[in-house]
Amino acid sequence: ETGVTQSPTHLIKTRGQQVTLRCSSQSGHNTVSWYQQALGQGPQFIFQYYREEENGRGNFPPRFSGLQFPNYSSELNVNALELDDSALYLCASSPRTGLSVLHEQFFGPGTRLTVL
Amino acid sequence: SQQGEEDPQALSIQEGENATMNCSYKTSINNLQWYRQNSGRGLVHLILIRSNEREKHSGRLRVTLDTSKKSSSLLITASRAADTASYFCATVGYSGGGADGLTFGKGTHLIIQP
Repeated sequence: ETGVTQSPTHLIKTRGQQVTLRCSSQSGHNTVSWYQQALGQGPQFIFQYYREEENGRGNFPPRFSGLQFPNYSSELNVNALELDDSALYLCASSPRTGLSVLHEQFFGPGTRLTVL
Repeated sequence: SQQGEEDPQALSIQEGENATMNCSYKTSINNLQWYRQNSGRGLVHLILIRSNEREKHSGRLRVTLDTSKKSSSLLITASRAADTASYFCATVGYSGGGADGLTFGKGTHLIIQP
C-alpha cells in the first residue's frame, strides 16, 4: 500500500509568482485535503476535494485553488504569492463513504514553500 | 483560526517518565484526534476518540475526552527518546457534512531526555 506522496519537497518562489503543488493520495482514498502550516503553528485547513470537486473550504482567499483528478491525486495552486504564504503545505487523504470525512487523515511529508 | 489550545506549549521529561498533554477546544465536536509531527514533516495519526467516548487506549497512549469541559488529554506512558516530537489535537465538527477539515491546536513540543 503506497502512502501519500507530495512534490516537490522544497520550493523557492518570489512574491507575485504562481506555484503548483502536487499530491498523490493513499491507495483507495477518494478524498484529499490541503493544509497550510506556518512555522510554530498548527496546520490550517485550506480546502478539501471529493469526486473532483471542492467540497469544503477554510478561511483562505480565492487565489488558493485546487484540482482533483480521476485517480484522486490533487493539485494546490497559489497565485500572486505573498511573503506570508511561506509555509509547509500538507496534503492528507482519507476514505469517504456517505456523508462525511470523520475518519483519521493520512498526511504526506509536505512541501516547504519559501516566498522571497 | 485555531480551534483550541494545547497545554503545555513545551514539555521536557526524562526517558521512562510519563508525559501528559492537554487540549481544549471551543465548539461541539464529532470526534477529536491526536497527531504527532516529527521535525516539521508530515503528521502521523495516533488515536481518534468519538464524542460519546470518555477514554481510549492504544499501546502506550491513553486519551480522555470531557465534552462538558471541552477538553482532552493525551498520556504517553514509559516515554522513549523516539517520542520526541510535536503533538497536536484536532477536532472534527458537525457542520458542513464533515467537509470542514480538521481544526488543529498549536501543539505541544515534547522532548524526551535520554
